[in-house]
Amino acid sequence: GAVVSQHPSRVICKSGTSVKIECRSLDFQATTMFWYRQFPKQSLMLMATSNEGSKATYEQGVEKDKFLINHASLTLSTLTVTSAHPEDSSFYICSARTQGGGEAFFGQGTRLTVV
Amino acid sequence: RKEVEQDPGPFNVPEGATVAFNCTYSNSASQSFFWYRQDCRKEPKLLMSVYSSGNEDGRFTAQLNRASQYISLLIRDSKLSDSATYLCVVFGAGGYNKLIFGAGTRLAVHP
Repeated sequence: GAVVSQHPSRVICKSGTSVKIECRSLDFQATTMFWYRQFPKQSLMLMATSNEGSKATYEQGVEKDKFLINHASLTLSTLTVTSAHPEDSSFYICSARTQGGGEAFFGQGTRLTVV
Repeated sequence: RKEVEQDPGPFNVPEGATVAFNCTYSNSASQSFFWYRQDCRKEPKLLMSVYSSGNEDGRFTAQLNRASQYISLLIRDSKLSDSATYLCVVFGAGGYNKLIFGAGTRLAVHP
């Protein structure tokens, strides 16, 4: 099946620094990728929809200047958490759907800890 | 009202039991429906798609009722390895081209 690779799987950073998370579709082209955040014992919350070649669409309440999304190619989307704070510590997961198919494939997730 | 609602559980059942999960969605224009499984600290993985006619995959049966905007998942002969969180996922709810997740229902199968 289709594979989505996310990197890094785990990162610890100091408060105030920026962290970049990469999401790659390995064997298919993804014009759209999704970024989710999941706090402990809570559901995945959609943060934004990443569109190849255009601006991302952010969900209500998600700061676009804080969570920078770039989808420069059909196989790569990046999420940069800028000026990270401890409250940004969470599990970030990307997802992509194959063209014409219903299933969404997920990256392995990135556990971000801001200290 | 949440776009996708699930009973959070937990459902604690013995091995061999039959357990059913329910899910409702708010947007009648939603296009596709799925059940995903998520193990602790892991990414979600597709369990099965849900079709209007109902579909079965081994011990798992999914049903969709568009009129009631209701989705269900039935697990028969529960195994210890079925312990996980089951996520109801709706595509197209709340807007174009979005996958929206329910909060998940936790299942714990015990010996």
